[in-house]
Amino acid sequence: GAGVSQSPSNKVTEKGKDVELRCDPISGHTALYWYRQRLGQGLEFLIYFQGNSAPDKSGLPSDRFSAERTGESVSTLTIQRTQQEDSAVYLCASTLYTGDWGYTFGSGTRLTVV
Amino acid sequence: TQLLEQSPQFLSIQEGENLTVYCNSSSVFSSLQWYRQEPGEGPVLLVTVVTGGEVKKLKRLTFQFGDARKDSSLHITAAQPGDTGLYLCAGFGTGGSYIPTFGRGTSLIVHP
Repeated sequence: GAGVSQSPSNKVTEKGKDVELRCDPISGHTALYWYRQRLGQGLEFLIYFQGNSAPDKSGLPSDRFSAERTGESVSTLTIQRTQQEDSAVYLCASTLYTGDWGYTFGSGTRLTVV
Repeated sequence: TQLLEQSPQFLSIQEGENLTVYCNSSSVFSSLQWYRQEPGEGPVLLVTVVTGGEVKKLKRLTFQFGDARKDSSLHITAAQPGDTGLYLCAGFGTGGSYIPTFGRGTSLIVHP
């Protein structure tokens, strides 16, 4: 597609439920990144995918967080047993290749845990 | 951990005024980026600076990378309401890092 597409744009969930967030990167972009943006905070790196290589999961805050990506297509970020501190905007970005500085971000998914 | 401190945190000005926002660190970065983020949207890349002392201009916006590559500034001339947004800086560490560190941002409001 022309840009990075994320869905849903907003998600309200009850504490303890699982949620799945989706990111569709720009066609042809091999690198995909997930970030979390809490209110008043900078972007916090979560996980990075490059083609079929093993993902860099060093930013995932707990084992409740996981992400998958099949090849160079769609990625899903799953948060299990959501907690109120998980409330944030989850942003996805893609680049043509690792080391390309031309990050393109999606509009994000605003997650609210009640 | 490389930290980027942005200042001021908030800025509210009138249309036509000039302003400068800062991004500072004790760490050296191989390159540094500036983004603008509007409410409900993702950050949009404005510029990447890679050489110490480099100055880049984008219409009314002037970006400077410090000589030691530890800091950067963004200057806006004759601000307009359309400049309103959150300005984020992001730095790539030395050693081939591909994951940038983001500052918390400067929230700018330009009143008509």
